[in-house]
Amino acid sequence: ETGVTQTPRHLVMGMTNKKSLKCEQHLGHNAMYWYKQSAKKPLELMFVYSLEERVENNSVPSRFSPECPNSSHLFLHLHTLQPEDSALYLCASSQGAAVQETQYFGPGTRLLVL
Amino acid sequence: GENVEQHPSTLSVQEGDSAVIKCTYSDSASNYFPWYKQELGKRPQLIIDIRSNVGEKKDQRIAVTLNKTAKHFSLHITETQPEDSAVYFCAATLSGSARQLTFGSGTQLTVLP
Repeated sequence: ETGVTQTPRHLVMGMTNKKSLKCEQHLGHNAMYWYKQSAKKPLELMFVYSLEERVENNSVPSRFSPECPNSSHLFLHLHTLQPEDSALYLCASSQGAAVQETQYFGPGTRLLVL
Repeated sequence: GENVEQHPSTLSVQEGDSAVIKCTYSDSASNYFPWYKQELGKRPQLIIDIRSNVGEKKDQRIAVTLNKTAKHFSLHITETQPEDSAVYFCAATLSGSARQLTFGSGTQLTVLP
């Protein structure tokens, strides 16, 4: 499955580090999403971009900073994270930003904050 | 607040039996209800969805039913096979945002051979 790719697949970082997660979609979609998946908890939507414009920001702490330079790429910049931020971060894309569009997920980045 | 409750959190069935997972939602304006399957170590994938103008939808061994009055919807898997073992997530729209899905907490389905 290569429609939505994410790098790195695994990341360990200290609380003072700065790192970035990358997502790329090869489906010609116009909307991209960041989700956080923690154990035993529902998927949490973090950000939505439609045509490179941020259209949703679900009260995410400022230590997470998204960037969408074009409709194919999405980044999540991380700085001064906390151990509770350890989770699987999933990127998704859809043809448009309407919620009834099927969202295609990437494989995720497993993040561990020490 | 608006949320989606999913039950059970774990479900084990014998191969060939049926499995049912139920979700309830609080927002009466919700109008789109997808189900995602996530196999161990893999990404979530949409398996079926239903819109509020439909009461039931089937796709081979998978079906989803929606009761708008009671605000619940269910996933039904018949003739289960070991490859059906996965975590299943339901989701529903929020009336406050046309672009947001609220997900249930997931059901770990194990099909025993």
